[in-house]
Order: sequence, then structure tokens, then C-alpha cells
Amino acid sequence: AQSVTQPDIHITVSEGASLELRCNYSYGATPYLFWYVQSPGQGLQLLLKYFSGDTLVQGIKGFEAEFKRSQSSFNLRKPSVHWSDAAEYFCAVGPNTGNQFYFGTGTSLTVIP
Amino acid sequence: GAVVSQHPSWVICKSGTSVKIECRSLDFQATTMFWYRQFPKQSLMLMATSNEGSKATYEQGVEKDKFLINHASLTLSTLTVTSAHPEDSSFYICSAKGLAVYEQYFGPGTRLTVT
Repeated sequence: AQSVTQPDIHITVSEGASLELRCNYSYGATPYLFWYVQSPGQGLQLLLKYFSGDTLVQGIKGFEAEFKRSQSSFNLRKPSVHWSDAAEYFCAVGPNTGNQFYFGTGTSLTVIP
Repeated sequence: GAVVSQHPSWVICKSGTSVKIECRSLDFQATTMFWYRQFPKQSLMLMATSNEGSKATYEQGVEKDKFLINHASLTLSTLTVTSAHPEDSSFYICSAKGLAVYEQYFGPGTRLTVT
């Protein structure tokens, strides 16, 4: 069965510190992988996506993610967090048809000054 | 490009009434649209998938007679919550994708409060 696990429900980091948000997936075929960010009361904004090729993908707002097939992981990273990065982050996996996304439960990020 | 809008962004209705939420793709043809529901502090739950001109496919546990979905054109899908009750209060998010496009574009969401 397809599933996405985000082990960390909530993470707190200091502004300027590095960040890594974990995402593990279970998927029968070659997955398409996504990270989205959601601010309170807002919709989802795509940070980055992985379809194929280079396993390290760059996204917007200074985020990057690395696809590791052997670990079934697609962790999101940022070298220096800004206060405006405080939000909810969702990892998602989908088939190459683009239908039927599976979302993780989300990781809430708090940034302290 | 790839902008999806939702209207209204926020709606309050009385118990027993119906409310319609619109989802529009502004700059592309959305062959498939998706409706999600999100409870506070929780992830998105897919409610249904609709292809233009076809009946929506509902996820298990979603009442199709309560959540009416229409996808009559390539730029518009509507979700009507019929006979709304307080437990239907939630954040509803739509997304859309075009043919041969491998990602979904999300709308900003609609906050529904049923009193």
C-alpha cells in the first residue's frame, strides 16, 4: 500500500540554524515526490519536486531535498532557516500520472529568534 | 502560470443549508480536479477526483450525495455541501492538473463554518 510518513510532528529550530525535515514513503512503482508548505489558513505552495534524474533537487526559498531510493526517503533541507519559514510542511508522493497524491501527516515548524 | 483559485475563501452557513465552493484553473485546462478536506492540524484527505465531463470518483467513506461535485468545464469544478451540519466545518482545498502534467496545482482553500 502506498503511504507517506513524516516522523516529526513538530520541530523547533533557531533562526539561522539548519533544518532537515524527514519523509519516508512506501510506493510500489517509481514515485514522483513533492514537498509543499502551508501557512496558517492558506493553501499549499509547492517547494520542490522530484520526477527523475539528479537525486538532489533545488526548490524555492532556499530549500533542497534529496531522493534516496535505498532508504525510501525524500528529506527536505535548508541550511539557514528564516523566521518566515515557520509553517506546516507536507511531503507527498504520487504516480507518474499525477493522480492520487498521498500526503504525509505534516511537520509543523516553529522558528525561534 | 498554473494558478488555481477558489471562491469563496471563507463561508459561514446555517445548519441544514447548502453551500457551493468553486475551483477554477485560471491559466490552464484542468482535465482532472481533486477535492481535499483538511481538519485543523491534520493532513489533507482526498475526498474525490473528477475528470472533466465525467462523474466524480469518491474516496471510501465520502458521501457522494452529501458532497456533490461537478466538473462541467476544463476550468471549473464545484463542490456543493448539501444539508450542511457543524461536523462538515472544515478547510476544503481543491487542486487541478492538466493532461500530461505530472503535478497538481492547489487552490488557496475555503474555510467552511457551519453554525
